[in-house]
Amino acid sequence: DQQVKQNSPSLSVQEGRISILNCDYTNSMFDYFLWYKKYPAEGPTFLISISSIKDKNEDGRFTVFLNKSAKHLSLHIVPSQPGDSAVYFCAASVPGTYKYIFGTGTRLKVLA
Amino acid sequence: DAMVIQNPRYQVTQFGKPVTLSCSQTLNHNVMYWYQQKSSQAPKLLFHYYDKDFNNEADTPDNFQSRRPNTSFCFLDIRSPGLGDTAMYLCATSRGLGGETQYFGPGTRLLVL
Repeated sequence: DQQVKQNSPSLSVQEGRISILNCDYTNSMFDYFLWYKKYPAEGPTFLISISSIKDKNEDGRFTVFLNKSAKHLSLHIVPSQPGDSAVYFCAASVPGTYKYIFGTGTRLKVLA
Repeated sequence: DAMVIQNPRYQVTQFGKPVTLSCSQTLNHNVMYWYQQKSSQAPKLLFHYYDKDFNNEADTPDNFQSRRPNTSFCFLDIRSPGLGDTAMYLCATSRGLGGETQYFGPGTRLLVL
């Protein structure tokens, strides 16, 4: 039972355009959502997070949107750069614990 | 720089031969986690420590054990590795507050032959 789903295994975007990565979840009790970026041969690095009480959080080129009614969040990268090419994981924090549930990741390729 | 370090980066072992993976952190974080990640899958939490309190996931095989002798170090012991244990093993830390980000090490890629 995969509680956090990233249905697109890969995405290609032209440099300068917007990249939109999507994530769906099933547990309405999740209280924080995080996005991580992973380059080959490295561990995931934190990118941006959002609390369940918000619907948007922005940090430079990265914006995360949360739609609680749809149990859906998305990460927007604009403008996309070749250095953004990586695997992006969304993760949800399980309330009352120190645990996080991860999605399977989306491989983003930004074409120069 | 404060960081999470994993050793070794690559480990090859034989079926049934015990192996230990190491993780250390300079962040002084309360919580340390071990994840298993197989190709094209989500990282799967095996267990975590909050300080010395050990929390095992219900579906983590008994073959996997962990030790945390102090705040800085955490070990993953695989007592009798099977071929299905070939994976990337990720260590992570967090301060332990709700919604706190996790900091990951670079991972150990384990190959069981």
